[in-house]
Amino acid sequence: SQTIHQWPATLVQPVGSPLSLECTVEGTSNPNLYWYRQAAGRGLQLLFYSVGIGQISSEVPQNLSASRPQDRQFILSSKKLLLSDSGFYLCAWNRQGGVDNSPLHFGNGTRLTVT
Amino acid sequence: GIQVEQSPPDLILQEGANSTLRCNFSDSVNNLQWFHQNPWGQLINLFYIPSGTKQNGRLSATTVATERYSLLYISSSQTTDSGVYFCAVSSGTYKYIFGTGTRLKVLA
Repeated sequence: SQTIHQWPATLVQPVGSPLSLECTVEGTSNPNLYWYRQAAGRGLQLLFYSVGIGQISSEVPQNLSASRPQDRQFILSSKKLLLSDSGFYLCAWNRQGGVDNSPLHFGNGTRLTVT
Repeated sequence: GIQVEQSPPDLILQEGANSTLRCNFSDSVNNLQWFHQNPWGQLINLFYIPSGTKQNGRLSATTVATERYSLLYISSSQTTDSGVYFCAVSSGTYKYIFGTGTRLKVLA
């Protein structure tokens, strides 16, 4: 069966510090990978998605970047965090299937507080 | 892009009551999912239902793709049903767009 791991679970970082959140998927190959962000009490906003190694699409201009160095690894980064980067970050995956995408499966999320 | 609206935004129920949550979307979709976000933030897949009707225990869902809406039914609600329910749709791209959610509180 497939599993998705995301870490750390919680993170408190000062303004201006760098960020690296990691997500890995097991039990499948060549998945679509996604980073979503959820502000407190709000819905989910798609930040980045990737359909293959080194292929990153950005949905929202911002202070963050994403990379996919390996097939089942997705990393969310920032060089200098802003207060507005605080939120709940969720990684997700689904199978590549052309038009009929398979269901999304989420990791447990990282709660980031920038102080 | 596709707009996804959910209603009601908030719902308070007594334990044992039934409820219907609605998801409207503005364009044709190929995929639709319902999620439950528990108090710890975990997003749990409830249904993958681009069309038709599915049931899983006390929960069932119906999507009428031609009329651009989906309904989630919760019967005999329990306190563990509390949380936020999200609908997410995809129109054949890689992107799932989420609605703003329905916040449900079930009182004992």
